[in-house]
Amino acid sequence: EDQVTQSPEALRLQEGESSSLNCSYTVSGLRGLFWYRQDPGKGPEFLFTLYSAGEEKEKERLKATLTKKESFLHITAPKPEDSATYLCAVLTSGTYKYIFGTGTRLKVLA
Amino acid sequence: KAGVTQTPRYLIKTRGQQVTLSCSPISGHRSVSWYQQTPGQGLQFLFEYFSETQRNKGNFPGRFSGRQFSNSRSEMNVSTLELGDSALYLCASSSDNEQFFGPGTRLTVL
Repeated sequence: EDQVTQSPEALRLQEGESSSLNCSYTVSGLRGLFWYRQDPGKGPEFLFTLYSAGEEKEKERLKATLTKKESFLHITAPKPEDSATYLCAVLTSGTYKYIFGTGTRLKVLA
Repeated sequence: KAGVTQTPRYLIKTRGQQVTLSCSPISGHRSVSWYQQTPGQGLQFLFEYFSETQRNKGNFPGRFSGRQFSNSRSEMNVSTLELGDSALYLCASSSDNEQFFGPGTRLTVL
């Protein structure tokens, strides 16, 4: 069964304390892996798409990487405004369905 | 370019009633997907429409239905509402593989 698992469920960081969020997946075929940021009461905001193992994407303090079984979202020197829930999703190549993980709730303390 | 819009933003209904939610995708996007988001279950895929045809369907009962019009706008209908249908309903439009979400409709069933 296709599955996406994110860890940790919640993460508290001090401002400036770098860390990584994990998204592991088990799918029959991967068409793409996506990262989103979601603020409370709002829709997810698109961050990155990764298509193949070894690929990396960067945006400000965020960097996403992809291997054959997992993806990492690295947050460098986070700020309080980076506090949000980060969601990972995969698009399966067989059924062409998006499968979301349950997210990592990130809190960055000033 | 205008983003994905959803109406209404908030809705309160009682058990047994039915509800229709509306989604206008980003101009030029032909695919529209619907998701239910609850604190316990995360983002659950409902269905996807492409060029007025349902292309994919999640594991929800037949009380949940949708349609897409020739201008790509989409509606989602839930009949015989249950308390457990209270959730944030999100619409996403896509071109190629990247999905962009609307702000959601917060449905409360009393």
